Amino acid sequence: QSVLTQPPSVSGAPGLRVTISCTGSRSNIGAGYGVHWYQQLPGTAPKLLIYDNTNRPSGVPDRFSGSKSGTSASLAITGLQAEDEADYYCQSYDSSLSGYVFGSGSKVTVL
Amino acid sequence: VQLVESGGGLIQPGGSLRLSCAASGFTVSSDYMNWVRQAPGKGLEWVSIIYSGGSTKYADSVKGRFTISRDNSKNTLYLQMDSLRAEDTAVYYCARESPDRGGMDVWGQGTTVTVSS
Repeated sequence: QSVLTQPPSVSGAPGLRVTISCTGSRSNIGAGYGVHWYQQLPGTAPKLLIYDNTNRPSGVPDRFSGSKSGTSASLAITGLQAEDEADYYCQSYDSSLSGYVFGSGSKVTVL
Repeated sequence: VQLVESGGGLIQPGGSLRLSCAASGFTVSSDYMNWVRQAPGKGLEWVSIIYSGGSTKYADSVKGRFTISRDNSKNTLYLQMDSLRAEDTAVYYCARESPDRGGMDVWGQGTTVTVSS
């Protein structure tokens, strides 16, 4: 059972907007630690999408955005495209565990 | 900037294996280096980190069995895995994290470890 909880699946039609939630607690997201998001295409290594809650590395389309509030964070994908079909993971630091934690992962399906 | 893992394979329960992660385009001793694993059909699990200063942390699931280290002269990260269990079966990734910001921005392609008799 993951310390950070994500919905198992999220779906949307091309062009629409989807959001993925990442719910934590006062020992991780709620403690002020940064939240980072990764995209993992089938059979490939994860790719950093968002770092420190809201920042995009160079080369990541601005269709991807991150936010954080309280003990939760969210990843939004606007203008959904077929190539966005992938697994998405949030990640943060947990002070109780003294280490990093990943979310349970969310599979995005483009209808 | 690239990371290339090696050393995975089939190993019996209770055995040992050492994974390597060769870096190019940056210096492993200047950054934070992580190991992350993914069991078949499962999500990502953080395993260990070595900070630029040399201190280390481990996930509870591997503490006392795994050891992270680096060879600065070879610009290579290692993961020594002892007392392996079936539940350690996974693809193991090494990943870089900049001390200046969060998130793991460079990942290797992964190496597969299978623990089975």
